Amino acid sequence: GAVVSQHPSWVICKSGTSVKIECRSLDFQATTMFWYRQFPKQSLMLMATSNEGSKATYEQGVEKDKFLINHASLTLSTLTVTSAHPEDSSFYICSAIRQGPDTQYFGPGTRLTVL
Amino acid sequence: KNQVEQSPQSLIILEGKNCTLQCNYTVSPFSNLRWYKQDTGRGPVSLTIMTFSENTKSNGRYTATLDADTKQSSLHITASQLSDSASYICVVRGPGGFKTIFGAGTRLFVKA
Repeated sequence: GAVVSQHPSWVICKSGTSVKIECRSLDFQATTMFWYRQFPKQSLMLMATSNEGSKATYEQGVEKDKFLINHASLTLSTLTVTSAHPEDSSFYICSAIRQGPDTQYFGPGTRLTVL
Repeated sequence: KNQVEQSPQSLIILEGKNCTLQCNYTVSPFSNLRWYKQDTGRGPVSLTIMTFSENTKSNGRYTATLDADTKQSSLHITASQLSDSASYICVVRGPGGFKTIFGAGTRLFVKA
C-alpha cells in the first residue's frame, strides 16, 4: 500500500534554532500534501496545504514566515520551523493525497521538543 | 458550520468485548467519511472509507456504518484486543477540494 514517511521521527532543539521536517510519499506522486500539528490529547489541526511547484496555503492563525513549507518535487515536502520556541513543541504530521481514487495517507509524525 | 463530533470522548472495555464509536457530522455536501486509528505517538492509519452511497464497510474486526440522511456514522469493533487501544478519528471530507474536517477522536482503552 501507499506509504508516507517523515524524517526525523523525533527532534530536540534549543530555543531559537530552526528545524526541518521532511515528508515523502514513497510509492506514489503527490501534488498535494498537508501539514498538521497535534497537541496532546487533541485532534489534528491543519496548518497548511502544500502544493507542488507553488506556494503553500496556510490556515488562519498559522504564521507562514515561521512555518516555511517547500514542496519542490512530487514526492517531497518540507516543513521548517524557524526560530523555534518551547510553545512550538508538538507532534507534526504530514499527509499526502494519492489520486484515483483520492485517498489520504498520513506519515508517522515527528515529535518536536524545543528546550 | 461544518463540524464532526465524536462520542464517547473516551471508553474503557475489557479484552474480547465489542464496542461502538459514534460520529455525527454537519458537513454538507460531503465526499466521503473515513475512520482512522491513531496509536499514541504515531500518525493516523486508515481503517475504512465510505462514500455517500455506501452504508457499511468492513475491515477485519472493524465495521463502519454510514447513514447519510441522519449524517451519522459508527465504528464497531468486534472481539477487542489489547492492541486496539488507540484513538479513533472520524474524518469527513467536506466542500472546497481536499478540505477535510477531523473529529476530536475517541480514546479507546482495552484492558486485560
